[in-house]
Amino acid sequence: EAQVTQNPRYLITVTGKKLTVTCSQNMNHEYMSWYRQDPGLGLRQIYYSMNVEVTDKGDVPEGYKVSRKEKRNFPLILESPSPNQTSLYFCASQRGPTDTQYFGPGTRLTVL
Amino acid sequence: TQLLEQSPQFLSIQEGENLTVYCNSSSVFSSLQWYRQEPGEGPVLLVTVVTGGEVKKLKRLTFQFGDARKDSSLHITAAQPGDTGLYLCAGGVSNYQLIWGAGTKLIIKP
Repeated sequence: EAQVTQNPRYLITVTGKKLTVTCSQNMNHEYMSWYRQDPGLGLRQIYYSMNVEVTDKGDVPEGYKVSRKEKRNFPLILESPSPNQTSLYFCASQRGPTDTQYFGPGTRLTVL
Repeated sequence: TQLLEQSPQFLSIQEGENLTVYCNSSSVFSSLQWYRQEPGEGPVLLVTVVTGGEVKKLKRLTFQFGDARKDSSLHITAAQPGDTGLYLCAGGVSNYQLIWGAGTKLIIKP
């Protein structure tokens, strides 16, 4: 089954404790993205990747890092999480820049 | 800053009624996508419109892209409880990125 998986689905952590949210897709897609979704603001892109070892900033990259060492994986790293990073995070993948985006199920992060 | 405003933010209606959700901007978009998101899941693409004035139908859902490619609407005929969800619009910009609306939360009561 074609899918995008994220782990963990739920995470409660404390300020400053490094964390990684994993994202994996089995569709051999070139493009992958990370978004955060906050009430009243819609989805905002954090980072995106056009291929292995090629990443670029989205609209709200501050406080986040990503890596794309393999085509299927695109982890999101929060080196020092802060409460304003409490949000619902989505990973997405697509074959090309104008193709359909497929979203993962989301990771709900709470930073205390 | 490009903005995409959706209205209404929240809509609760009875099964069988019709409704329209709007997505408006002062910017021109190369395309306009509509997604539906259910609780605990990611958004799922419903349709993409690319031509000004374009109308697409998906069963009881009708999507229209404005002539100037600045706005779009989603009309649901005879809404059913299964239509309940968060409806999101997203406008395509020149560098293949998307500008997202905040969403319309739709509840259809049996």
